[in-house]
Amino acid sequence: SQELEQSPQSLIVQEGKNLTINCTSSKTLYGLYWYKQKYGEGLIFLMMLQKGGEEKSHEKITAKLDEKKQQSSLHITASQPSHAGIYLCGADMGGSARQLTFGSGTQLTVLP
Amino acid sequence: NAGVTQTPKFQVLKTGQSMTLQCAQDMNHNSMYWYRQDPGMGLRLIYYSASEGTTDKGEVPNGYNVSRLNKREFSLRLESAAPSQTSVYFCASTRVPWTEAFFGQGTRLTVV
Repeated sequence: SQELEQSPQSLIVQEGKNLTINCTSSKTLYGLYWYKQKYGEGLIFLMMLQKGGEEKSHEKITAKLDEKKQQSSLHITASQPSHAGIYLCGADMGGSARQLTFGSGTQLTVLP
Repeated sequence: NAGVTQTPKFQVLKTGQSMTLQCAQDMNHNSMYWYRQDPGMGLRLIYYSASEGTTDKGEVPNGYNVSRLNKREFSLRLESAAPSQTSVYFCASTRVPWTEAFFGQGTRLTVV
């Protein structure tokens, strides 16, 4: 969706390196969700952020939502091959329909 | 834990044929969704059902119909398949819109 821009589109890193994926909107987000998808599989929920300035961590993955609630970043520390996959951000853009809008995804490859 | 179950996992159709994609969830969720995923475009919402007995159009509803058969089941029907409907289809459910979403494994549909 053009309402939610995700960057980069693809990322190749060496095992052990840190990396960051960004998700940006021109509108205020009511909720921001990060999902991971492995090829041929469904989406796995990682984290949800709702408050400006909020930061959550799970194992080596940290997600942040900026104070304006228009940009989120997903940071992976000391990447491992198990982190490989497609990362998608999804956002509640508000409005009467309360639909979840998704970014186009970031394909992450981690080289051993 | 079954979660969200989609059937079939793979399907090849000829142009003009019809078919129904089935989705069932066992988490007593109120809301269910159908998305399609195309390369470079992320996930786009086709139809959703905020609660049993209601359905609403999403971003790309043309060529599709849905039925919320009961609280557990939400089906997606293609009446006359077209090559443009070649895609991966995902069903998702949430307790209420929009909380953490649980996704099925996807249906890979090819229309020739």
